[in-house]
Amino acid sequence: EADIYQTPRYLVIGTGKKITLECSQTMGHDKMYWYQQDPGMELHLIHYSYGVNSTEKGDLSSESTVSRIRTEHFPLTLESARPSHTSQYLCASSDSGPGAKNIQYFGAGTRLSVL
Amino acid sequence: QKEVEQDPGPLSVPEGAIVSLNCTYSNSAFQYFMWYRQYSRKGPELLMYTYSSGNKEDGRFTAQVDKSSKYISLFIRDSQPSDSATYLCAMSRIQGAQKLVFGQGTRLTINP
Repeated sequence: EADIYQTPRYLVIGTGKKITLECSQTMGHDKMYWYQQDPGMELHLIHYSYGVNSTEKGDLSSESTVSRIRTEHFPLTLESARPSHTSQYLCASSDSGPGAKNIQYFGAGTRLSVL
Repeated sequence: QKEVEQDPGPLSVPEGAIVSLNCTYSNSAFQYFMWYRQYSRKGPELLMYTYSSGNKEDGRFTAQVDKSSKYISLFIRDSQPSDSATYLCAMSRIQGAQKLVFGQGTRLTINP
């Protein structure tokens, strides 16, 4: 079982609020990722990080921002939530050492609803 | 055109049936191939991993990769109601950013 944790699991919030979705992993993985997934749709990569102080935007444009100050922690922030941000957000991590298989391990996700 | 195509279903079969799930892809540089299972309101969990071409078997699950046809399959034998979930294929290149590219996922229901 993967040791990657996301909080909160569910969040209902009003328009204009600032929110931070937390993601932590205890596997010592260098690489971490944030995906957005709408019901019945594929995962879209919105941010990734290959190590501390390294962050990149993913394939899907997002108004969210991320930071990577510690290896184990990769929070995602929305400065001003809007109904269009309603979705499920999934965090993942993978190893990058010699022999790494590029397998990503996922957290349980945060289901965000913006009213 | 998407890099990875997967029929979203839904697919509904009786308990005990053999299930075949498939993905096609367009990028010949893909070398790592994975199948993830995602239960409702949960994150995806790795089910099978294959490097390059060939077959891999794990219990009731068999993964096949045919790189010449750019086609991968997941077979589930003696399917159980607990296998009801969405199955996502994923793949990546061996070089470069190694980001995973996911299929849309196939929603599978096994009926008792």
